[in-house]
Amino acid sequence: DTGVSQNPRHKITKRGQNVTFRCDPISEHNRLYWYRQTLGQGPEFLTYFQNEAQLEKSRLLSDRFSAERPKGSFSTLEIQRTEQGDSAMYLCASSLVSGRANEQFFGPGTRLTVL
Amino acid sequence: AQTVTQSQPEMSVQEAETVTLSCTYDTSESDYYLFWYKQPPSRQMILVIRQEAYKQQNATENRFSVNFQKAAKSFSLKISDSQLGDAAMYFCAYRSALNAGNMLTFGGGTRLMVKP
Repeated sequence: DTGVSQNPRHKITKRGQNVTFRCDPISEHNRLYWYRQTLGQGPEFLTYFQNEAQLEKSRLLSDRFSAERPKGSFSTLEIQRTEQGDSAMYLCASSLVSGRANEQFFGPGTRLTVL
Repeated sequence: AQTVTQSQPEMSVQEAETVTLSCTYDTSESDYYLFWYKQPPSRQMILVIRQEAYKQQNATENRFSVNFQKAAKSFSLKISDSQLGDAAMYFCAYRSALNAGNMLTFGGGTRLMVKP
C-alpha cells in the first residue's frame, strides 16, 4: 500500500500523560499536514511541513503540542500533559507541491481518547 | 479568514436517485480552489471532485458534479444514480491559491445516508 499511513489507529490515555503519533506520507511527497477532527466536525488545520521545515502552525496548536519531520520523511505529533479536550481524530495528509494542483492525500487518522 | 458552511447535517437519498449537498463559503479572494471530500465510516478521506475558481465550467467526475456559483459563493455537489457505497460524511473544503501553505478549510460536513 503506497498511501499515507498513521500509527497507532487508536490511542486511549489518561489525563496528564504524553502521547506520540506517527505519520508516514506518500514517499515522494514533500508537504505533510496535520489536522484535528473533533466528533461531528470537519478537520481543522494544525501545522504543515515542507520537507523537514515546519512552516506554519495554527493557533489551535498550543505549547503542549509539538511536531517534527526529521529528514523530511515521516512525521511525529506529540501531545504533552494530555487534557480531555484533546480527544479527537488526528489526521495526516501529504502532497507533492507541483504547479497549482497540490492535491492532499489523507491517512486513516489516529483516534485519541483522553480519560 | 475564510469560512465554509454546510447547512445540512444529514441527508438521505434512495438508491439510484439523485441528491444535492449544499455548501457556501466566505472569502475576499478571487483565486482559490473548492473541493468535496468523502469520508466513509472508519476509513480515510478521499477527494471526490475539485473546482478551480477561475474556471467557469462546472467540474464533473462520473456520477458526481458540482454547481459552482462564484458570485453567490455557493458550491453544491450533485450525486446522480446514488449507490449504497456513497453513504459517508461529505466535507466541502476551501483552499486559497495565494497562501503558500495550501492548507484546507473544511465545512462541518453532511452525513449522507443511502436507502436500498
